[in-house]
Amino acid sequence: DAGVTQSPTHLIKTRGQHVTLRCSPISGHKSVSWYQQVLGQGPQFIFQYYEKEERGRGNFPDRFSARQFPNYSSELNVNALLLGDSALYLCASSSGGLAGVTDTQYFGPGTRLTVL
Amino acid sequence: AQTVTQSQPEMSVQEAETVTLSCTYDTSESDYYLFWYKQPPSRQMILVIRQEAYKQQNATENRFSVNFQKAAKSFSLKISDSQLGDAAMYFCTGGSNYKLTFGKGTLLTVNP
Repeated sequence: DAGVTQSPTHLIKTRGQHVTLRCSPISGHKSVSWYQQVLGQGPQFIFQYYEKEERGRGNFPDRFSARQFPNYSSELNVNALLLGDSALYLCASSSGGLAGVTDTQYFGPGTRLTVL
Repeated sequence: AQTVTQSQPEMSVQEAETVTLSCTYDTSESDYYLFWYKQPPSRQMILVIRQEAYKQQNATENRFSVNFQKAAKSFSLKISDSQLGDAAMYFCTGGSNYKLTFGKGTLLTVNP
């Protein structure tokens, strides 16, 4: 079975631009989470979506938004890019069916975003 | 809210030896999970082991085991019979309210 897939693998943008990152979860998983991992740090939680609804949001500005589609894939959008947005963006999927409980999350390979 | 602290930025171990990675956490949640993830240089984050906080029994997965001390808020990972493929960044991770909170990581080097 395919694991979590993300596209693109790498991306280079300039300050002020907009970027869209994509994620496809493991087949049968209904929840997708997004994390930002700055070089040398642990990942930071951005969003979780379940059944197309936002179920959790981390401490990120409104420039960050996401959505989930009926096939459970997801997009992360970042507007007005800043140099500090340069990072590895990780997507994780989980079954998501247990309310209030953290399911085990399985990660994709990530998208490396560089902002110049 | 959760915080996760890994006080060992780097560790090294000889092949076939045992190593223990330390982690402490703090949380106001009553229902939470703890995980260890590894991230090899290829960067794919892989689940190593999972511990439900309500379970007193320590989780084990083959050569990997944890020492979960709930009162002390300690969650260490023991790797037995270390292999070259164990070399990676290891993240202690807390999970509650749908999100994971990661520590800063411990870089494990395995020497042949």
